[in-house]
This record gives sequence, C-alpha cells and structure tokens, in this order.
Amino acid sequence: EAGVVQSPRYKIIEKKQPVAFWCNPISGHNTLYWYRQNLGQGPELLIRYENEEAVDDSQLPKDRFSAERLKGVDSTLKIQPAELGDSAVYLCASSLGRTIYNEQFFGPGTRLTVL
Amino acid sequence: SQQGEEDPQALSIQEGENATMNCSYKTSINNLQWYRQNSGRGLVHLILIRSNEREKHSGRLRVTLDTSKKSSSLLITASRAADTASYFCATDPIYNQGGKLIFGQGTELSVKP
Repeated sequence: EAGVVQSPRYKIIEKKQPVAFWCNPISGHNTLYWYRQNLGQGPELLIRYENEEAVDDSQLPKDRFSAERLKGVDSTLKIQPAELGDSAVYLCASSLGRTIYNEQFFGPGTRLTVL
Repeated sequence: SQQGEEDPQALSIQEGENATMNCSYKTSINNLQWYRQNSGRGLVHLILIRSNEREKHSGRLRVTLDTSKKSSSLLITASRAADTASYFCATDPIYNQGGKLIFGQGTELSVKP
C-alpha cells in the first residue's frame, strides 16, 4: 500500500513568488492535515480537512496561504506571495478519521527555501 | 503553539546503551503518541498510549505515561546506530475532541557505533 505522497520534494523560489504543494493521502483516509515544520522544531498544524471540509484552519495565515481538497482526496497548499519566513518543511499527513486514537501517517514533506 | 516540551533536546549514546527521552505537556489529553523522524524524512508513528494506560511496550520501545504529572517517557533499549533520529511526542488534547496533534520540539538522538 502506498503511503502519503507529496510533491515536489524540494522547492527554491524568490520572495514574493507563488508556490504550491500537492499531497495525495493514503487511500480511504478521510482526514488530511498540513503541517509546517521549522528547523529544529516539531510540526505545527496549519489546516485539517475532514473529507473536503476544512474543520480547523485557525493556524493558517489566511492573508497569503490557501488550501483546497477537492473531492475529498488530493489536496493543494498554496502560498502567494512567499516571504523569507516561509522557508520550512511542509508536511502532509492523513488518518482514517477523527477518533481519539488518531494515528497519523506522514508524507516525506516538501522543503521550501525562499530567497 | 506547542504543548509538549521534550528533554533532553539532544542525546548522544553508544550502541547497545539505553536511551530515555522525556515529554511534558500542559492540558488533559485523550492520548499521547511518539514519532520518529529521520533526517530529511517525514515522521513515522512509533507508539500510542491512551490516557488510561500507564505503560506500553513495542519491541525495544517502552513508553510510560503519568497523567498526574502530565509527563511521558520513551525508553529505547539496546540502541542501534539505525535509531539515530529525532523523536517527537505529540498529544491529542481533550479539548480538540480528537483530531489535532500538538507536537513537542523533539529530542535529537545520536547512536554511535
């Protein structure tokens, strides 16, 4: 069974440019998460989807970040325009659903460098 | 905001020794989970311990949970060079009704052959 797939793995852009990350969760997983991980830190949740509905986007900087999960499967996270401080690893994770036994499966991440 | 605080931030041991990492958190939880992250990779789930459990084992891993002290520990016995990675605790707070993990800053473990 394939794990969580993310692309691209690495992205280098100039500040003020737009960038998009793509995630394909594990088949059958209703819940999808986007995290940002700064160097030397643990992941921090940006947004959580249950099927196609964003149920927790309180940590998403909505002035420049947007996300979508059309048809409740794949998801895209976009930053426009990117700032220097956005350099980080963006992780996608998925889980079977919102239960109290919430094991999440992570993709390899996209390492973003903003110059 | 990160709820978990991990101790130590970095740990260096020799192969064959045991490694112990600690995690403290602030609010009541449904469960606490430990994840491993190898350099440049995503996180891998290691073990989940429910709030009503005190100890759990999985292979060479042993996790304890003390809800009265809001703390957990991860013990890796007979460590191997392949155990070199960052280890994160993550809590599932009760107030989130399930679904949101809050990660600590991690412990960077180095196992020297």
